[in-house]
Amino acid sequence: EAGVAQSPRYKIIEKRQSVAFWCNPISGHATLYWYQQILGQGPKLLIQFQNNGVVDDSQLPKDRFSAERLKGVDSTLKIQPAKLEDSAVYLCASSPEAGTDTQYFGPGTRLTVL
Amino acid sequence: GNSVTQMEGPVTLSEEAFLTINCTYTATGYPSLFWYVQYPGEGLQLLLKATKADDKGSNKGFEATYRKETTSFHLEKGSVQVSDSAVYFCALREWGGSEKLVFGKGTKLTVNP
Repeated sequence: EAGVAQSPRYKIIEKRQSVAFWCNPISGHATLYWYQQILGQGPKLLIQFQNNGVVDDSQLPKDRFSAERLKGVDSTLKIQPAKLEDSAVYLCASSPEAGTDTQYFGPGTRLTVL
Repeated sequence: GNSVTQMEGPVTLSEEAFLTINCTYTATGYPSLFWYVQYPGEGLQLLLKATKADDKGSNKGFEATYRKETTSFHLEKGSVQVSDSAVYFCALREWGGSEKLVFGKGTKLTVNP
């Protein structure tokens, strides 16, 4: 079974630029999560999708971050414009459905904002 | 709000030493508790879990017991190996609502031969 795929693995941009990350969850998984992991901290949930719909985006900085999950499969997370404090690893995870115990994580995208 | 506190790292041990990584939590209701591990260059993966008080999760020689009276979920292993070197994250899954995972800051473990 293929795992959660993410791209790119690394990205370096200057502040005020835009960036987008892509995630392909495990086939058949209804729930998809985006986390932000700042160096030295644990992952923090940004947004959770159940199929196409948003379940929780309470910690997503909506003035600059946006995410979509068209057709309930792949997802894209965008930052526009980026700030220095957005430097982090962005993790995508999926689970068969909301409320199941195990989330499966992708390798992450390391973003550096200069 | 809900939170998880882990012991500060990094932790450095010799092979075959006993490992304890402390984890305490603050949460309402009946959260599930987890330990995730991140090996160098890899993504997070579930190590073990416990879903109710007094449950013991175990995997790969690691154990943790859900202690509601002390709000703790300490990770232990009797004899660590070099291959256990990784970052360990304690987490809880909120009870009710979106049931999102809340993570601690992580503890880096290095095991020397």
